[in-house]
Amino acid sequence: GDSVTQMEGPVTLSEEAFLTINCTYTATGYPSLFWYVQYPGEGLQLLLKATKADDKGSNKGFEATYRKETTSFHLEKGSVQVSDSAVYFCALSDRIDDKIIFGKGTRLHILP
Amino acid sequence: SQTIHQWPATLVQPVGSPLSLECTVEGTSNPNLYWYRQAAGRGLQLLFYSVGIGQISSEVPQNLSASRPQDRQFILSSKKLLLSDSGFYLCAWGAGRVNTEAFFGQGTRLTVV
Repeated sequence: GDSVTQMEGPVTLSEEAFLTINCTYTATGYPSLFWYVQYPGEGLQLLLKATKADDKGSNKGFEATYRKETTSFHLEKGSVQVSDSAVYFCALSDRIDDKIIFGKGTRLHILP
Repeated sequence: SQTIHQWPATLVQPVGSPLSLECTVEGTSNPNLYWYRQAAGRGLQLLFYSVGIGQISSEVPQNLSASRPQDRQFILSSKKLLLSDSGFYLCAWGAGRVNTEAFFGQGTRLTVV
C-alpha cells in the first residue's frame, strides 16, 4: 500500500540555520504531496503542496520540490526561526481512492 | 468559507465506557471526511475515511467504528474503550479529487483511565 517515510526527529538547529527534512514516498498511483505543520496543542495546518512532478510548493520561506524520479519531497528552509519550532508531517493523497497518508512526523526545535 | 468543528477538546473516560466524538463541516457539500489518531512515536494514523453518506472505509481493525449520518457529520465511536485507545484524535475534510489536501479540526485529547 501507499506509505510515507520521513526522517526521524527530533531535529535541533540554531536560529538562522539551513533546514532539510527528508521525505520519500511509495504510491501505486500518481499522488499529490503535502507538508503539514503542527504547533503545540493544535491541529495540523497545510504548509505547502505539489500536485505533479517537478512542481515546487512554497510558503513562509519553506519549499519542497516533487521529485518523481526519486519519489521524494524534501522540505527546506534557508534560515529558520524560533517560531518554526513544531512537528512537520509529510503526506500524500492517492487520487485513486482519496486516502491521505501521513508520515510519522519530525519534531523541529530551533534554539535562539 | 469552510470550517470544521470537532468536540470535545479533551475527554477523560474510564476503561470499558463508550465513546462518541463528533465532527461537522460547514461551507461545503459532499466533502471527504477523515478520522486520524496521533499517538506518541506513531505519527498520524488514518483510522477511517468516507467519500459520502453511509460510505465508510476502515484502515485499521480495532474496537472503534465510524458513521456518517449526514453529509457533513462524521462520528467516531466505541462501545468499550481500552487503555490503548488513548491519544489525540483529529478529524479532517477534503474536497476530493479536485483539491486533494485535507483541512483539520483542532483535535480531541482522549485519555482512557
